[in-house]
Amino acid sequence: ELKVEQNPLFLSMQEGKNYTIYCNYSTTSDRLYWYRQDPGKSLESLFVLLSNGAVKQEGRLMASLDTKARLSTLHITAAVHDLSATYFCAVHDRGSTLGRLYFGRGTQLTVWP
Amino acid sequence: NAGVMQNPRHLVRRRGQEARLRCSPMKGHSHVYWYRQLPEEGLKFMVYLQKENIIDESGMPKERFSAEFPKEGPSILRIQQVVRGDSAAYFCASSHAGDQPQHFGDGTRLSIL
Repeated sequence: ELKVEQNPLFLSMQEGKNYTIYCNYSTTSDRLYWYRQDPGKSLESLFVLLSNGAVKQEGRLMASLDTKARLSTLHITAAVHDLSATYFCAVHDRGSTLGRLYFGRGTQLTVWP
Repeated sequence: NAGVMQNPRHLVRRRGQEARLRCSPMKGHSHVYWYRQLPEEGLKFMVYLQKENIIDESGMPKERFSAEFPKEGPSILRIQQVVRGDSAAYFCASSHAGDQPQHFGDGTRLSIL
């Protein structure tokens, strides 16, 4: 079964700083997603990465995918308090049914002034 | 333009009772997925359904759990004879096709007394 590991699991950072969240997965994948979840809320889709070398940016967040290394990163630039949330990566295993996603445990991000 | 609707948002049951969780997908979506989230964990896939068909139920416990997505009406996740370990947040997602991004509902928080 595909394993998805995120690190760090907890991240506390000051406003204005940069940091990267890592997502490693254990087998061949053709799709990788990043989601954001606020406490008690649903998951909001941030990025879909489909090919090796894909890079997507939205505001202070940038996601990239290296399929050869089986690694995706979510980079945070000049963090602000509004980015505080839990971030999940989710991976589709090429060998499994189309809709089945495997999620990491999430990175709980806290941004403080 | 309603998103994925889940109800109830919170459900409290006593051990041995039945729990029924409902999910209405986004308009135009015929693919539905159920996930379970334990505290400080990622989402775990349970089942993937299309109208009147179960595509992949490999994530469902073998006993007490069942899911359906009838031709008319919402998808239902049914848990019989609930136990304390069933306490979790249950999320439903829907998509236009199996390889398209999944949109999540707000979840049902199930508590077992």
